[in-house]
Amino acid sequence: GESVGLHLPTLSVQEGDNSIINCAYSNSASDYFIWYKQESGKGPQFIIDIRSNMDKRQGQRVTVLLNKTVKHLSLQIAATQPGDSAVYFCAETVGGSNYKLTFGKGTLLTVNP
Amino acid sequence: DVKVTQSSRYLVKRTGEKVFLECVQDMDHENMFWYRQDPGLGLRLIYFSYDVKMKEKGDIPEGYSVSREKKERFSLILESASTNQTSMYLCASSSPGTGNQPQHFGDGTRLSIL
Repeated sequence: GESVGLHLPTLSVQEGDNSIINCAYSNSASDYFIWYKQESGKGPQFIIDIRSNMDKRQGQRVTVLLNKTVKHLSLQIAATQPGDSAVYFCAETVGGSNYKLTFGKGTLLTVNP
Repeated sequence: DVKVTQSSRYLVKRTGEKVFLECVQDMDHENMFWYRQDPGLGLRLIYFSYDVKMKEKGDIPEGYSVSREKKERFSLILESASTNQTSMYLCASSSPGTGNQPQHFGDGTRLSIL
């Protein structure tokens, strides 16, 4: 079956740098994508989402980019802080349903002071 | 903010016991979900519910059942716990809304079956 995957399992950055976390998806029918942050011992926390009719969406210090041509999703975090250290994973839905999310395995972001 | 509360953060049970995991959300969401999260396997959907008394099997429903008697509460039941059900269990809720809506998660119950 088709699944959402990640290019890098770990990412280490210096405090203040920008971070980019990537996600590849294989199902061209996917039309809604979500980024989650999961800190140690906590549940996934919604960060930002994007629909397939958009290619960019910005939040507070975060930007999600969607490239449907190459089926690629990225999360950019500006001025990364120690509190951003967590596992980040993307999720997709197919055909507009929000019942069945397909989750990526996650990327561990470590922010060095 | 959406609040999804799972009744226990840590739980230890014995093989063969009947185990109940409880989840409550305070946003009047129609949809509720139960996942388990295991290292290397990510989140896998066990069951979901889109309305009171309604339930649908997810990807790994074997060994589990669910109950949704009230809109705000969704229970996961392990009928006869086994060691391979040791895992982190996550509850989520979402609103159908107009267009897509994200799922919001609780902080999880780490269940150990001895």
